[in-house]
Amino acid sequence: NIVLTQSPATLSVTPGESVSLSCRASQSISTSIHWYQQKSNESPRLLIKYASQSISGIPSRFSGSGSGTDFTLSINRVESEDFSIYYCQQSYSSLYTFGAGTKLELK
Amino acid sequence: QVQLKESGPGLVQPSQTLSLTCTVSGFSLTSYHVHWVRQPPGKGLEWMGVMWSDGDTSYNSALKSRLSISRDTSKSQVFLKMSSLQTEDTATYYCARDRDGYYYWGQGVMVTVSS
Repeated sequence: NIVLTQSPATLSVTPGESVSLSCRASQSISTSIHWYQQKSNESPRLLIKYASQSISGIPSRFSGSGSGTDFTLSINRVESEDFSIYYCQQSYSSLYTFGAGTKLELK
Repeated sequence: QVQLKESGPGLVQPSQTLSLTCTVSGFSLTSYHVHWVRQPPGKGLEWMGVMWSDGDTSYNSALKSRLSISRDTSKSQVFLKMSSLQTEDTATYYCARDRDGYYYWGQGVMVTVSS
């Protein structure tokens, strides 16, 4: 199975800062990575598909990059509503997997 | 509009079998893949398996021996059955529609495994 390693586990920031969240795959997965945001007691929300493709309705401050094994979700100038948990997911293999998540918290 | 809704028992006894239903609307099961994902309380997301649009299935290797996914296209329903439940199977279970990522999710159903 393809293992996704997210780092850091927790990121403490103040509103207005820009941040980068990392997701590393155990083998090359081209750009078959998707990013999700999950707030407490809610279903996850798709933020970015195929590493860098935007999703309708998602604020433009969210962007993604990477290919192969290293991927990054960037948030330009974090807003208060962004404090939540972020997951990456690969769809390269028919056996999908998620990363363990990065919690973005208020410093 | 597109909707997915999970249903099933909130409480299951240890060693018993869990049966969940994902009822979809707004799309055809023969055109989209439907996945099952679970999340234990306070933990991350775990991909469980998928009903591909062509009727084939794939399962998480760690769950494969206990898990079965099927569907009834006439009723727009996808079913999950998982046997030999243990307390660590306590989780919120989601179904989600796959088309370039999971844009649509169900609200999730909380399942507690306890005697």
